[in-house]
Amino acid sequence: AQTVTQSQPEMSVQEAETVTLSCTYDTSESDYYLFWYKQPPSRQMILVIRQEAYKQQNATENRFSVNFQKAAKSFSLKISDSQLGDAAMYFCAYRYGGATNKLIFGTGTLLAVQP
Amino acid sequence: EAGVAQSPRYKIIEKRQSVAFWCNPISGHATLYWYQQILGQGPKLLIQFQNNGVVDDSQLPKDRFSAERLKGVDSTLKIQPAKLEDSAVYLCASSLAATVIYEQYFGPGTRLTVT
Repeated sequence: AQTVTQSQPEMSVQEAETVTLSCTYDTSESDYYLFWYKQPPSRQMILVIRQEAYKQQNATENRFSVNFQKAAKSFSLKISDSQLGDAAMYFCAYRYGGATNKLIFGTGTLLAVQP
Repeated sequence: EAGVAQSPRYKIIEKRQSVAFWCNPISGHATLYWYQQILGQGPKLLIQFQNNGVVDDSQLPKDRFSAERLKGVDSTLKIQPAKLEDSAVYLCASSLAATVIYEQYFGPGTRLTVT
């Protein structure tokens, strides 16, 4: 069965600094997608960034980028120039193929941004 | 564009009582998902609908949980009877379709406390 592991329950970063959140996953499939979701205190989850497993190039979205290491089954999120609004719970998620669009989530990392 | 709507936002019930949650997806979204998010864990998919048909309900505790999506739009998730371990946030999400990698948009969730 596919699993997603986030080993950092909490992280803290100074405003304007860079922080990296870790995620590892386990799968026997070769075609899959990986995601990072942000869940602010209001609890509405939003998509931050996604990566297709067949793409070698790491995805970037403005200040957010990933380091995708397929062989190591590692998928970390880097947030550059951290802002107070980045404070939230971050979930790593895996999506496998088939007729469903089922997401498997990790346990999350709570990010605090210090002014 | 209006987002995914859920009600109520909060609900407190006693064990063995019944409760129902309502979700209105984004207009035009064929796929609807219900997730259970227990404190300290990532969301877990309970059931996925494609229009008004069930695609995946493998993790739905069918002895007490039921869900329906009449007319392929709104959906209701019911718990009868509730147990203490059902205390969680219930998230509804929707996407344009399920078979292609479309983004899932999440609602604000319903926080259920069972006492």
